[in-house]
Amino acid sequence: KAGVTQTPRYLIKTRGQQVTLSCSPISGHRSVSWYQQTPGQGLQFLFEYFSETQRNKGNFPGRFSGRQFSNSRSEMNVSTLELGDSALYLCASSPADSYTGELFFGEGSRLTVL
Amino acid sequence: KQEVTQIPAALSVPEGENLVLNCSFTDSAIYNLQWFRQDPGKGLTSLLLIQSSQREQTSGRLNASLDKSSGRSTLYIAASQPGDSATYLCAVFGSNDYKLSFGAGTTVTVRA
Repeated sequence: KAGVTQTPRYLIKTRGQQVTLSCSPISGHRSVSWYQQTPGQGLQFLFEYFSETQRNKGNFPGRFSGRQFSNSRSEMNVSTLELGDSALYLCASSPADSYTGELFFGEGSRLTVL
Repeated sequence: KQEVTQIPAALSVPEGENLVLNCSFTDSAIYNLQWFRQDPGKGLTSLLLIQSSQREQTSGRLNASLDKSSGRSTLYIAASQPGDSATYLCAVFGSNDYKLSFGAGTTVTVRA
């Protein structure tokens, strides 16, 4: 069974640009959540989608947005990039309808903003 | 706001020694606690998931306990090996905020 797939794995952007990251969950998983990992702030929750609906979101500015498609694949978008957006962006999927399920993470997308 | 603390931040042990990693959290209103492993530049690998009603979970050389009332969890790794070198993170899923809150991790080095 394939794991969580994130693309692209690495990317470099300049300030002011926008970026779109993609996440394909494990087959059959309907919940997808996104996290930002930086050396200073650690791992922080961005948002979670279930059946194409955003169920929860963290404390990030409106420049960070996401969506989920009918096949459960998810994308996140960051507009007007800032230097501080440089981070490893991790996606996780879960099989559970409730909040008690185990999370399975992808390898992440490493974004560098110059 | 849930605060998750992991102590120590780093430890180095000789091969064969047992590892004890600690995690504490401030809000006991949780659905579950999960331990992860992260290798440098990689994603997270799930090690153990403990539901709030459980006291412990075991998988091979790994054993994790949960004391929800005191806000503590401990991960034990028996007979450590150099391949166990990694950063170990604990995370709690809050039943008030419906999100996963992570600790900063404990970086483990097992010396051959």
